[in-house]
Amino acid sequence: GDSVTQMEGPVTLSEEAFLTINCTYTATGYPSLFWYVQYPGEGLQLLLKATKADDKGSNKGFEATYRKETTSFHLEKGSVQVSDSAVYFCAQGRDDKIIFGKGTRLHILP
Amino acid sequence: DAGVTQSPTHLIKTRGQQVTLRCSPKSGHDTVSWYQQALGQGPQFIFQYYEEEERQRGNFPDRFSGHQFPNYSSELNVNALLLGDSALYLCASSLAGFGEAFFGQGTRLTVV
Repeated sequence: GDSVTQMEGPVTLSEEAFLTINCTYTATGYPSLFWYVQYPGEGLQLLLKATKADDKGSNKGFEATYRKETTSFHLEKGSVQVSDSAVYFCAQGRDDKIIFGKGTRLHILP
Repeated sequence: DAGVTQSPTHLIKTRGQQVTLRCSPKSGHDTVSWYQQALGQGPQFIFQYYEEEERQRGNFPDRFSGHQFPNYSSELNVNALLLGDSALYLCASSLAGFGEAFFGQGTRLTVV
């Protein structure tokens, strides 16, 4: 069945470091791809999305490119901040149903 | 726009009891989906309502049921609660066919 696999955490980085969180998916068709972020004690917020192959989603300095050939949607940011500390979920969606990965907890040290 | 609102925010129930959680979708949205997020896990799809009918269902037992009202708001009911039902329950709303879902803050259910 359809699924999402993302790198396990926690990931700990120093402020201003480069971030990559790997994500791959399996799907029978061509889903939309998302990154959601969850801050402590809160619900999910959509960080960025891409709806078709080679699309690049971007928001708040984060980027991810929909790679059909490698079935990947890796999240990157050039310089992380302490405020980026949260749990990040890679997800795929079709017909308004979303399938999530297990999440990657990110800690940014000042 | 208040976004997606859920009530209550926290709830404690005893094993075997029944619970009802409520969700009001974002203005203009017609589709409501419910997810269960166990501690340290990603959200799992429970079911989805559109035009007051269950349109899709995930791998959850019949103890989990729901309803959508004419104003698009929705309820999630869980019967015969088990300890393993303790989780954060998230409601998401969307406009059918547009794919992007907006999530509420969730209801934290604890079964003791």
